Amino acid sequence: RKEVEQDPGPFNVPEGATVAFNCTYSNSASQSFFWYRQDCRKEPKLLMSVYSSGNEDGRFTAQLNRASQYISLLIRDSKLSDSATYLCVVSLGPSGAGSYQLTFGKGTKLSVIP
Amino acid sequence: GAGVSQTPSNKVTEKGKYVELRCDPISGHTALYWYRQSLGQGPEFLIYFQGTGAADDSGLPNDRFFAVRPEGSVSTLKIQRTERGDSAVYLCASSPQGAGSPLHFGNGTRLTVT
Repeated sequence: RKEVEQDPGPFNVPEGATVAFNCTYSNSASQSFFWYRQDCRKEPKLLMSVYSSGNEDGRFTAQLNRASQYISLLIRDSKLSDSATYLCVVSLGPSGAGSYQLTFGKGTKLSVIP
Repeated sequence: GAGVSQTPSNKVTEKGKYVELRCDPISGHTALYWYRQSLGQGPEFLIYFQGTGAADDSGLPNDRFFAVRPEGSVSTLKIQRTERGDSAVYLCASSPQGAGSPLHFGNGTRLTVT
């Protein structure tokens, strides 16, 4: 079983739509969770951390369910510029993303269509 | 300011040859990571340096792969007797010491072994 599993997509959605991505992780000892965004042939960039209580950053909302070992990302009012691959990332370390090994999922590809 | 710099951006080599990939992290970042990303996959952890020492090299696939960071800044990933299966994008990332620091990735080196 893969450590971090995501639906690879692609998700093709019209502008303005709401889209949700899910991710499951296998190691119950995982402590830190993130969503990274990767544009085609570019490097991954941190989109947002995921906190136990859930957190929101503008149009983006991240949720964590430790009991089910499940992470989600919700994007509201999709923009063309949201088209990218979204990588679910898990770490055994504390909330310091730079301190411990990160395990990446394969990513979910999103295409926002005009 | 300057981000993580990786050179070369592209490298084509013949099977069996030796290659060196260079990473110049953001100034002052003590943590440095190497990841490898194959097509359609998420980044796969290779090795993590804290300062000059390799704190975790559990991701190196075999003894053909070796990395150094002699002065705690620039790092070199070395691959001996390259194989076609080594073809991938090799990503370097750095972060400042301490909790809550995101990883900053370089643009990667695209290695093709023919």
